[in-house]
Amino acid sequence: EVQLVESGGGLVQPGGSLRLSCAASGFTFSGYDMSWVRQAPGKGLDWVSGLSGSGASTYYADSVKGRFTISRDNSKNTVYLQMNSLRAEDTATYYCARGGVGAEDFEYWGQGALVTVSS
Amino acid sequence: QSALTQPASVSGSPGQSITISCTGTSSDIGGYNYVSWYQQHPGKAPKLMIYDVGNRPSGVSNRFSGSKSGNTASLTISGLQAEDEADYYCSAYTRTNKRIFGGGTKLTVL
Repeated sequence: EVQLVESGGGLVQPGGSLRLSCAASGFTFSGYDMSWVRQAPGKGLDWVSGLSGSGASTYYADSVKGRFTISRDNSKNTVYLQMNSLRAEDTATYYCARGGVGAEDFEYWGQGALVTVSS
Repeated sequence: QSALTQPASVSGSPGQSITISCTGTSSDIGGYNYVSWYQQHPGKAPKLMIYDVGNRPSGVSNRFSGSKSGNTASLTISGLQAEDEADYYCSAYTRTNKRIFGGGTKLTVL
Protein backbone atom coordinates (compact mmCIF):
# COMPACT_ATOMS: atom_id res chain seq x y z
CA GLU A 1 0.00 0.00 0.00
CA VAL A 2 1.33 3.41 -0.99
CA GLN A 3 1.75 5.73 1.99
CA LEU A 4 2.97 9.31 2.10
CA VAL A 5 3.39 10.96 5.50
CA GLU A 6 4.24 14.65 5.80
CA SER A 7 5.87 16.29 8.80
CA GLY A 8 7.49 19.57 9.75
CA GLY A 9 4.57 21.95 9.53
CA GLY A 10 3.91 24.64 12.11
CA LEU A 11 3.74 28.34 12.89
CA VAL A 12 6.49 30.58 11.54
CA GLN A 13 6.95 34.34 11.40
CA PRO A 14 7.02 36.20 8.09
CA GLY A 15 10.49 36.03 6.62
CA GLY A 16 11.22 32.80 8.46
CA SER A 17 12.07 29.31 7.23
CA LEU A 18 10.61 25.85 7.56
CA ARG A 19 11.45 22.43 6.11
CA LEU A 20 8.75 19.91 5.30
CA SER A 21 9.46 16.20 4.97
CA CYS A 22 7.45 13.49 3.27
CA ALA A 23 8.24 9.86 4.10
CA ALA A 24 7.15 7.41 1.43
CA SER A 25 6.52 3.66 1.60
CA GLY A 26 4.83 0.92 -0.38
CA PHE A 27 6.56 1.56 -3.71
CA THR A 28 10.01 1.87 -5.28
CA PHE A 29 10.57 5.48 -4.29
CA SER A 30 13.46 6.28 -6.61
CA GLY A 31 11.40 5.26 -9.61
CA TYR A 32 8.85 8.02 -9.23
CA ASP A 33 8.70 11.76 -9.60
CA MET A 34 7.32 13.57 -6.57
CA SER A 35 5.54 16.88 -6.02
CA TRP A 36 4.28 19.28 -3.40
CA VAL A 37 0.80 20.81 -3.76
CA ARG A 38 -0.65 23.36 -1.34
CA GLN A 39 -4.11 24.44 -0.36
CA ALA A 40 -4.74 27.74 1.41
CA PRO A 41 -7.54 27.65 4.00
CA GLY A 42 -10.89 27.39 2.22
CA LYS A 43 -9.23 27.63 -1.19
CA GLY A 44 -8.34 25.35 -4.08
CA LEU A 45 -5.29 23.29 -4.95
CA ASP A 46 -2.09 24.92 -6.14
CA TRP A 47 0.94 23.03 -7.47
CA VAL A 48 4.14 24.23 -5.77
CA SER A 49 7.09 22.13 -6.89
CA GLY A 50 8.17 18.79 -8.34
CA LEU A 51 11.29 16.76 -8.95
CA SER A 52 12.37 13.74 -10.91
CA GLY A 53 13.01 10.31 -9.44
CA SER A 54 16.76 10.86 -9.46
CA GLY A 55 16.41 14.35 -8.05
CA ALA A 56 18.38 15.77 -10.96
CA SER A 57 15.49 17.84 -12.36
CA THR A 58 13.45 20.24 -10.29
CA TYR A 59 10.45 22.43 -11.12
CA TYR A 60 8.81 25.33 -9.30
CA ALA A 61 5.73 27.50 -9.51
CA ASP A 62 6.59 31.13 -10.21
CA SER A 63 5.14 32.11 -6.83
CA VAL A 64 7.81 30.18 -4.91
CA LYS A 65 10.78 30.20 -7.30
CA GLY A 66 13.91 31.43 -5.55
CA ARG A 67 12.40 30.92 -2.09
CA PHE A 68 11.55 27.21 -1.95
CA THR A 69 13.85 24.25 -2.67
CA ILE A 70 12.69 20.72 -3.31
CA SER A 71 15.01 17.77 -2.78
CA ARG A 72 14.94 14.06 -2.03
CA ASP A 73 16.98 11.38 -0.30
CA ASN A 74 16.28 8.11 -2.06
CA SER A 75 18.16 6.17 0.62
CA LYS A 76 15.60 7.42 3.14
CA ASN A 77 12.56 7.33 0.82
CA THR A 78 11.94 10.96 1.72
CA VAL A 79 11.24 14.15 -0.21
CA TYR A 80 11.76 17.59 1.32
CA LEU A 81 10.55 21.12 0.77
CA GLN A 82 12.80 23.83 2.21
CA MET A 83 10.78 27.03 2.48
CA ASN A 84 12.62 30.33 3.03
CA SER A 85 11.48 33.96 3.13
CA LEU A 86 7.99 32.83 4.03
CA ARG A 87 5.07 35.17 3.47
CA ALA A 88 1.54 35.28 4.86
CA GLU A 89 0.25 34.08 1.50
CA ASP A 90 2.25 30.86 1.89
CA THR A 91 -0.10 29.84 4.70
CA ALA A 92 -1.62 26.55 3.57
CA THR A 93 -1.80 22.82 4.00
CA TYR A 94 1.06 21.33 2.04
CA TYR A 95 0.46 17.94 0.45
CA CYS A 96 3.12 15.57 -0.79
CA ALA A 97 2.05 13.67 -3.91
CA ARG A 98 3.48 10.97 -6.14
CA GLY A 99 3.83 12.15 -9.71
CA GLY A 100 2.75 15.58 -10.85
CA VAL A 101 5.84 16.35 -12.93
CA GLY A 102 5.05 17.42 -16.46
CA ALA A 103 1.96 15.61 -17.68
CA GLU A 104 1.90 13.14 -14.79
CA ASP A 105 -1.15 12.87 -12.59
CA PHE A 106 -0.94 13.23 -8.82
CA GLU A 107 -1.57 9.54 -8.21
CA TYR A 108 -1.32 9.37 -4.42
CA TRP A 109 -1.42 12.07 -1.76
CA GLY A 110 -0.31 12.39 1.83
CA GLN A 111 -2.57 13.76 4.55
CA GLY A 112 -0.90 17.15 4.51
CA ALA A 113 1.10 19.42 6.81
CA LEU A 114 -0.26 22.80 7.89
CA VAL A 115 2.06 25.76 7.57
CA THR A 116 0.96 29.03 9.14
CA VAL A 117 2.93 32.20 8.46
CA SER A 118 1.97 34.85 10.98
CA SER A 119 3.50 37.24 13.46
CA GLN B 1 -1.16 30.41 -16.36
CA SER B 2 -4.71 31.02 -15.10
CA ALA B 3 -6.65 28.40 -13.21
CA LEU B 4 -9.22 26.31 -15.01
CA THR B 5 -12.85 27.41 -14.58
CA GLN B 6 -15.29 25.22 -12.68
CA PRO B 7 -18.75 25.99 -11.29
CA ALA B 8 -18.59 26.80 -7.59
CA SER B 9 -21.31 24.32 -6.72
CA VAL B 10 -23.59 21.66 -8.13
CA SER B 11 -26.22 19.53 -6.46
CA GLY B 12 -28.30 16.47 -7.12
CA SER B 13 -30.54 13.95 -5.43
CA PRO B 14 -29.54 10.37 -4.67
CA GLY B 15 -29.74 8.21 -7.77
CA GLN B 16 -29.52 11.13 -10.17
CA SER B 17 -26.61 12.03 -12.44
CA ILE B 18 -24.65 15.26 -12.31
CA THR B 19 -21.96 16.75 -14.51
CA ILE B 20 -19.19 19.13 -13.48
CA SER B 21 -17.55 21.17 -16.21
CA CYS B 22 -13.96 22.41 -16.37
CA THR B 23 -13.12 25.05 -18.95
CA GLY B 24 -9.64 25.93 -20.10
CA THR B 25 -7.95 26.99 -23.29
CA SER B 26 -6.23 25.50 -26.32
CA SER B 27 -2.99 25.73 -24.31
CA ASP B 28 -4.16 23.23 -21.74
CA ILE B 29 -7.39 21.21 -21.95
CA GLY B 30 -7.83 21.74 -25.66
CA GLY B 31 -4.23 20.91 -26.52
CA TYR B 32 -3.65 17.65 -24.69
CA ASN B 33 -5.52 14.60 -23.43
CA TYR B 34 -4.09 15.03 -19.95
CA VAL B 35 -7.07 16.00 -17.84
CA SER B 36 -7.62 14.50 -14.41
CA TRP B 37 -10.21 14.84 -11.66
CA TYR B 38 -9.75 14.71 -7.90
CA GLN B 39 -12.24 14.17 -5.09
CA GLN B 40 -11.65 15.78 -1.71
CA HIS B 41 -13.77 15.19 1.35
CA PRO B 42 -13.60 17.81 4.14
CA GLY B 43 -10.35 17.62 6.06
CA LYS B 44 -9.01 14.86 3.83
CA ALA B 45 -6.42 14.58 1.11
CA PRO B 46 -7.47 14.69 -2.55
CA LYS B 47 -7.98 11.37 -4.35
CA LEU B 48 -7.44 10.74 -8.05
CA MET B 49 -10.75 9.72 -9.66
CA ILE B 50 -10.15 10.16 -13.41
CA TYR B 51 -6.94 10.46 -15.44
CA ASP B 52 -6.15 11.08 -19.10
CA VAL B 53 -9.62 12.54 -19.68
CA GLY B 54 -11.68 9.40 -19.22
CA ASN B 55 -9.72 6.64 -17.45
CA ARG B 56 -10.47 5.39 -13.95
CA PRO B 57 -7.75 4.20 -11.56
CA SER B 58 -8.22 0.76 -10.09
CA GLY B 59 -10.78 0.84 -7.29
CA VAL B 60 -12.72 3.89 -8.46
CA SER B 61 -16.40 3.24 -9.05
CA ASN B 62 -17.59 3.06 -12.65
CA ARG B 63 -20.25 5.61 -11.66
CA PHE B 64 -17.52 8.18 -12.31
CA SER B 65 -16.72 9.03 -15.93
CA GLY B 66 -14.85 11.78 -17.74
CA SER B 67 -14.92 13.31 -21.18
CA LYS B 68 -13.64 16.28 -23.14
CA SER B 69 -14.88 18.47 -25.97
CA GLY B 70 -12.68 21.25 -27.25
CA ASN B 71 -11.44 23.34 -24.33
CA THR B 72 -13.93 21.92 -21.83
CA ALA B 73 -13.64 18.71 -19.81
CA SER B 74 -16.47 17.15 -17.84
CA LEU B 75 -16.86 14.80 -14.91
CA THR B 76 -20.12 12.87 -14.70
CA ILE B 77 -21.27 11.01 -11.62
CA SER B 78 -24.18 8.68 -12.15
CA GLY B 79 -26.36 7.02 -9.51
CA LEU B 80 -25.46 9.77 -7.03
CA GLN B 81 -24.78 8.56 -3.49
CA ALA B 82 -24.46 10.42 -0.21
CA GLU B 83 -20.75 9.52 -0.02
CA ASP B 84 -20.14 11.40 -3.28
CA GLU B 85 -20.67 14.71 -1.47
CA ALA B 86 -17.27 16.36 -1.64
CA ASP B 87 -15.21 18.96 -3.47
CA TYR B 88 -14.05 18.06 -6.97
CA TYR B 89 -11.05 19.55 -8.75
CA CYS B 90 -10.01 19.23 -12.36
CA SER B 91 -6.37 19.42 -13.41
CA ALA B 92 -4.79 19.77 -16.84
CA TYR B 93 -1.34 19.68 -18.37
CA THR B 94 -0.29 22.94 -19.99
CA ARG B 95 2.12 23.98 -22.71
CA THR B 96 4.41 25.33 -19.98
CA ASN B 97 5.06 21.69 -18.99
CA LYS B 98 3.21 22.09 -15.70
CA ARG B 99 -0.15 21.08 -14.31
CA ILE B 100 -2.81 23.58 -13.28
CA PHE B 101 -5.98 23.07 -11.26
CA GLY B 102 -9.51 24.33 -11.46
CA GLY B 103 -10.98 26.36 -8.61
CA GLY B 104 -13.01 23.40 -7.35
CA THR B 105 -16.70 22.48 -7.30
CA LYS B 106 -18.65 21.64 -4.18
CA LEU B 107 -21.05 18.77 -4.81
CA THR B 108 -24.06 18.61 -2.52
CA VAL B 109 -26.21 15.49 -2.42
CA LEU B 110 -29.70 16.65 -1.47
